[in-house]
Order: sequence, then structure tokens, then C-alpha cells
Amino acid sequence: EDQVTQSPEALRLQEGESSSLNCSYTVSGLRGLFWYRQDPGKGPEFLFTLYSAGEEKEKERLKATLTKKESFLHITAPKPEDSATYLCAVLLGGDYKLSFGAGTTVTVRA
Amino acid sequence: EPEVTQTPSHQVTQMGQEVILRCVPISNHLYFYWYRQILGQKVEFLVSFYNNEISEKSEIFDDQFSVERPDGSNFTLKIRSTKLEDSAMYFCASKEGAGQPQHFGDGTRLSIL
Repeated sequence: EDQVTQSPEALRLQEGESSSLNCSYTVSGLRGLFWYRQDPGKGPEFLFTLYSAGEEKEKERLKATLTKKESFLHITAPKPEDSATYLCAVLLGGDYKLSFGAGTTVTVRA
Repeated sequence: EPEVTQTPSHQVTQMGQEVILRCVPISNHLYFYWYRQILGQKVEFLVSFYNNEISEKSEIFDDQFSVERPDGSNFTLKIRSTKLEDSAMYFCASKEGAGQPQHFGDGTRLSIL
């Protein structure tokens, strides 16, 4: 069965303390892996799409990487405004649905 | 920047009543989706809609659920006879084309009493 697992569940960081979030997946024939940010009471906000192993994408303090079995979201020198839940999702079945992980809730303290 | 708009933001309904959740997708998008998120759980796929028909649906999307795109701008999710377990945040999403990212609205919180 296709699965997406994120770790850790929660991450508490000091401002400036870099860290990484993990998303491991077991899908047959990955069509795309997506990272989203979700703030409390809001919908997921698109961050990155990765399609093939070795691919990397960057945006401000965030960098996403992809291997054949997992993806990492690296947060460099985080600020309090980076506090959010980060969701990983894989595209399944003919481009029609996303399967989400449970997310990693990141809290950055000033 | 264009965004997906959902109304209402919060809907409170008695069990057994019908409810319609409304979405205005981004204007040039062709693929439309509904997802739900029960409090503390994962975002779950419900249904996808493309070319005026359902392209895929999950086991959750049973005969009590239906979707419609009544005109060129709206996309609705109807639950015919709500149950307590339908209480959740419902998200609408849309995307421009194949392989493009889905963009989500801020959701409708559905509370069934």
C-alpha cells in the first residue's frame, strides 16, 4: 500500500538553528512529491514540487531534496515566521490525487 | 496572486441535514479537488473532477456525497444527509494542468451537531 511518513512529528528550534524534516514514501512509480506549509486554521500553501531523485529546489530559507525513497526539507537559519506545519504529499494514480503525510509541526523561538 | 476561495468559513448543521460547501477555483485551472482533514489527522483525498466529470474518488466519497460545477466559476461539494463523523475541515483545491501543483483554499470548517 502506498504510504507517506513524516518525521519528526514536532520540532522545536531556536531562531538560527538549522534542521531537516524527513518524508519517506513507499509508492510504485512516483509521479511527483510536493511540500506544503500549513498555518493554523488555513489551507496548505504550496512550496515545492520534486519529480526525480537528485532534484533540489530552494526558496528563501527552505531547500527540498529528493532521493528514491525519501525527501528532506532543510530549514536554514529559521526565523519565528517559519513556524508552521510542513506537509509532504505524493501524487498518485493518473495525476488525480495527493496522498499526504501527517506533517511536521515546526516551532521556532526567538 | 489568484487564490482558491471557499465559503462559508464555518458551517454548523444538524445531523441528517444536507449541506453544500462552495468553492471558487483559480480561473484558468482545469482540475478540481475536495479533501478533508479531521481534527488532528492527515489531509485525506475525497474526489477529483476534470472535464466535467469525476476522475477519481476515495472510499470516503460514498453515495451521500456529490460534486458539481454548475457554471464556469463555482465548484460545490454536497453532503446529502450529514453524520457526526462528517465533522471536519473541507478543503477545495485546483490546478492548471497535468503535473502542476494543486493550490488549496483556506477551507470550510463543518461542524455536525
